[in-house]
Amino acid sequence: QQQVKQSPQSLIVQKGGIPIINCAYENTAFDYFPWYQQFPGKGPALLIAIRPDVSEKKEGRFTISFNKSAKQFSLHIMDSQPGDSATYFCAATLGGATNKLIFGTGTLLAVQP
Amino acid sequence: DAGVIQSPRHEVTEMGQEVTLRCKPISGHNSLFWYRQTMMRGLELLIYFNNNVPIDDSGMPEDRFSAKMPNASFSTLKIQPSEPRDSAVYFCASRVTGGSGYTFGSGTRLTVV
Repeated sequence: QQQVKQSPQSLIVQKGGIPIINCAYENTAFDYFPWYQQFPGKGPALLIAIRPDVSEKKEGRFTISFNKSAKQFSLHIMDSQPGDSATYFCAATLGGATNKLIFGTGTLLAVQP
Repeated sequence: DAGVIQSPRHEVTEMGQEVTLRCKPISGHNSLFWYRQTMMRGLELLIYFNNNVPIDDSGMPEDRFSAKMPNASFSTLKIQPSEPRDSAVYFCASRVTGGSGYTFGSGTRLTVV
């Protein structure tokens, strides 16, 4: 019940395309849903995050869509660029002071020029 | 701010040897997390500390793994004896307790031959 399921495992898009990465969860106690971006040889870095009281959050070219009833959330990258090629992880945290971060399995995105 | 600092960046050791990974969290961050990343299992939380106290070590795979945080600016993850299946990238992350944003280090790539 603490899992976060992520799909697809890998994704290839052309420059300017809109890759979409999907995640689903079971535990309704999760109260914070961040996305992390990881480049080769680096640690994951926080990209954008959302709380379940909103249905959408946009920061630059990155948008999170959140469907609380379906227990699903997704990341959209508008006007994707080759520099966006990276591994993307969705995650969720349980409420309270512990804030233990549970990661999805990751999506390897390649944006072709 | 230098971020979360991990050392060494790469470690190659022989099976049976002791390995010690080190982490310096961001100053003022009082929660520290150790993660392990592999292709097969993704990002797994091994253990985390709040105010230098271990809170949850349920992710530590075996008794061969141990972690300490003797003060607010230093933590170690030790594997003794090491085995080839311990080969992975080990990440340390820190955040302010109760806060949302985790900052990850660049990781230690461990290879046990």
